[in-house]
Amino acid sequence: AQKITQTQPGMFVQEKEAVTLDCTYDTSDPSYGLFWYKQPSSGEMIFLIYQGSYDQQNATEGRYSLNFQKARKSANLVISASQLGDSAMYFCAMREGGSQGNLIFGKGTKLSVKP
Amino acid sequence: DAGITQSPRHKVTETGTPVTLRCHQTENHRYMYWYRQDPGHGLRLIHYSYGVKDTDKGEVSDGYSVSRSKTEDFLLTLESATSSQTSVYFCAISDRTEDSGANVLTFGAGSRLTVL
Repeated sequence: AQKITQTQPGMFVQEKEAVTLDCTYDTSDPSYGLFWYKQPSSGEMIFLIYQGSYDQQNATEGRYSLNFQKARKSANLVISASQLGDSAMYFCAMREGGSQGNLIFGKGTKLSVKP
Repeated sequence: DAGITQSPRHKVTETGTPVTLRCHQTENHRYMYWYRQDPGHGLRLIHYSYGVKDTDKGEVSDGYSVSRSKTEDFLLTLESATSSQTSVYFCAISDRTEDSGANVLTFGAGSRLTVL
């Protein structure tokens, strides 16, 4: 079974609109962390946002927010006011257990922002 | 800047030849990782290291070996490269961010390997 599922292989959004990228996860570990990374066409992996399983509030980082619904095991990324530079692959990832554990990645969602 | 350098950045080789990819970091991070990225698969862990001479296997370790004789260097070796190992390889270190307080993986720029 996949640990991280991103069901949207590709998405389009109009510039200046908000967009939600879906991510569901599967774990029986009560302690885990959820991450989102951005990979532009240049290829580097850029960390965007983190949510811990015990965090009471949804994480936010500038135009990025993480809609964390623990009971549903979902950790959707919301990008507000999309910009052309947001066009990229976005990966959801999870770390189980200890804080130094490796990340398990989803297959990614390709976001295209239209002018 | 986590100071991660991968080399070579691009390599083309032939089936059956040995290949070594190097990851070098300048900030004394204990944990280092090697991932491969393939279309439709996201990133998958090959091996990781939690200290000098301390390494462990990841999800897709078959056909790969690693070594870490110094804190700053983590080497990934393909003893006999195959076409299925054509991929982009990313090295990463674990680094604590100030904002979230979490240990976040910071990635190198990637090494594109083509095995003919």
